[in-house]
Amino acid sequence: TQLLEQSPQFLSIQEGENLTVYCNSSSVFSSLQWYRQEPGEGPVLLVTVVTGGEVKKLKRLTFQFGDARKDSSLHITAAQTGDTGLYLCAGAMAGNTGKLIFGQGTTLQVKP
Amino acid sequence: GAGVSQTPSNKVTEKGKYVELRCDPISGHTALYWYRQSLGQGPEFLIYFQGTGAADDSGLPNDRFFAVRPEGSVSTLKIQRTERGDSAVYLCASSLGHEQFFGPGTRLTVL
Repeated sequence: TQLLEQSPQFLSIQEGENLTVYCNSSSVFSSLQWYRQEPGEGPVLLVTVVTGGEVKKLKRLTFQFGDARKDSSLHITAAQTGDTGLYLCAGAMAGNTGKLIFGQGTTLQVKP
Repeated sequence: GAGVSQTPSNKVTEKGKYVELRCDPISGHTALYWYRQSLGQGPEFLIYFQGTGAADDSGLPNDRFFAVRPEGSVSTLKIQRTERGDSAVYLCASSLGHEQFFGPGTRLTVL
């Protein structure tokens, strides 16, 4: 059973389009992180959201944590070819010491 | 400074053999994590060390898997009697606070 459901799993869009990736769970997380992973490399942290309803922006990327801290979204505005990669959400359970539960990942391809 | 390094980068072995995967964390990082990532999936937690001790080994799939961190720095993940289903990328991460810094992984292929 996947604790964190990430959707869509694959996304192929044209440069300049907008997109949203969703991360959903029935469990409450103390924090939720978004990572980006390139082929042959480990995941790199993009952002951490901690408070229910929190919105964080990183240039063209907007991250939101659900009010109940069970879900999150990543929105990319005007995608660029350099945004191509694997995006992963990961949740930390309350009381846990750092173990992360990852979603399945969203493979994004941005075509020129 | 140097990031997390993992050796070897690739390991091909035969079913039934023993393998060791090494992780060198960022200097000074007290926490070290091992994850396993299968093709098309997100990383799956295996074990977490705080210093020398395993604080959480709930993700180890069975007793063929074992990990050590004897001096609180370098860690070794050991897999006995490897099976084809063990084929995956094994990722190591270290942290001082909440952010985990990942290494490039070791791609293990069991033939």
